[in-house]
Amino acid sequence: DAGVIQSPRHEVTEMGQEVTLRCKPISGHNSLFWYRQTMMRGLELLIYFNNNVPIDDSGMPEDRFSAKMPNASFSTLKIQPSEPRDSAVYFCASSLREPYGYTFGSGTRLTVV
Amino acid sequence: SQQGEEDPQALSIQEGENATMNCSYKTSINNLQWYRQNSGRGLVHLILIRSNEREKHSGRLRVTLDTSKKSSSLLITASRAADTASYFCATENSGYSTLTFGKGTMLLVSP
Repeated sequence: DAGVIQSPRHEVTEMGQEVTLRCKPISGHNSLFWYRQTMMRGLELLIYFNNNVPIDDSGMPEDRFSAKMPNASFSTLKIQPSEPRDSAVYFCASSLREPYGYTFGSGTRLTVV
Repeated sequence: SQQGEEDPQALSIQEGENATMNCSYKTSINNLQWYRQNSGRGLVHLILIRSNEREKHSGRLRVTLDTSKKSSSLLITASRAADTASYFCATENSGYSTLTFGKGTMLLVSP
């Protein structure tokens, strides 16, 4: 298995533009998570899907952020419009629950200028 | 919000020495997990310890959990330069299905 695959690895965009981050979880994993990592705030959970259904989106910062999981093998995180404070590394992770931990992707480093 | 808080924030040791990192948390947990993150990479799951377990081993890793003190420790024995990374504890809180991460300990192992 190739692990959790995220694209793009790096994204530089101008303020106000729409940004779409993509994630392919590990086949068979039924939980998917989007996290954001910054130096100031560390790792923050944005949204959690179970069996493709959003369960907890309380971490989504504001209406500019949206996430979808149209099927078990694909999820997107969209920011529209983007702002400089959205600059961070965004991670997708998938899991089969206990006793297994999360498998993280390599992340997307987003820079909004 | 942060649940786990790692201590120390940074640790520098020589190859062959043991490295100990601590994690404290605030609320009841189902389990506690440790992850490693190399610079510019994603997090890698190291070990999971359930709330009813007190100690667990995996290779050169030893994890302890004291639920009465709401704390855990990660011991890496006979450290190697390749162990240089940030180490995070994460808790799955009772009643929740997601992990809350601490801010991590940066470990530097010098040859």
